[in-house]
Amino acid sequence: AQKITQTQPGMFVQEKEAVTLDCTYDTSDQSYGLFWYKQPSSGEMIFLIYQGSYDEQNATEGRYSLNFQKARKSANLVISASQLGDSAMYFCAMREGLNTGGFKTIFGAGTRLFVKA
Amino acid sequence: DVKVTQSSRYLVKRTGEKVFLECVQDMDHENMFWYRQDPGLGLRLIYFSYDVKMKEKGDIPEGYSVSREKKERFSLILESASTNQTSMYLCASSFHGPGQGKNIQYFGAGTRLSVL
Repeated sequence: AQKITQTQPGMFVQEKEAVTLDCTYDTSDQSYGLFWYKQPSSGEMIFLIYQGSYDEQNATEGRYSLNFQKARKSANLVISASQLGDSAMYFCAMREGLNTGGFKTIFGAGTRLFVKA
Repeated sequence: DVKVTQSSRYLVKRTGEKVFLECVQDMDHENMFWYRQDPGLGLRLIYFSYDVKMKEKGDIPEGYSVSREKKERFSLILESASTNQTSMYLCASSFHGPGQGKNIQYFGAGTRLSVL
């Protein structure tokens, strides 16, 4: 079964508008972390934002926020005020077993975001 | 700034060749990882290492091996390259252990390997 599901292969957004990229996950672990990475056409994966399973507040990093709904097992990325430079592939990822030093990070298939001028 | 450097951005090899992909990190990270990335499949873990000379298989280790002789360097080896190993390969590193918080993985720019 898929542990990380990103249901939107591609999305368009108008410049300066907000966009939500969906991510659902599946785990029976109580201690886990959720990550979002951006991959521009250059290829390098860039860390954007992190949410721990025990964090009570939604994570925010500048224009990025993570809408964490634990009961629904969703961790959607919200990008506010989209910019042309936000056009990229976005990956949701999860690491289980944080309190036991879990190593493996599982990635979703990604969502390609296109920002229109 | 954390820096993870992969030795080649693009490689073209012949079927049956032995291929070495090199990765070096400068942040004294204990953990290092090799992934391959294919369209629609996201990133899949090939091998990881949590210490010098230590290695663990990931989800798709078949056809690959790794070497970690020094803390900063992690090599991926394709013993006999095949066309189905044509892919983007990404190296990453991170700190080790629950005390290190998020343990964010930092990635290199990737190596796009074509096996003909």
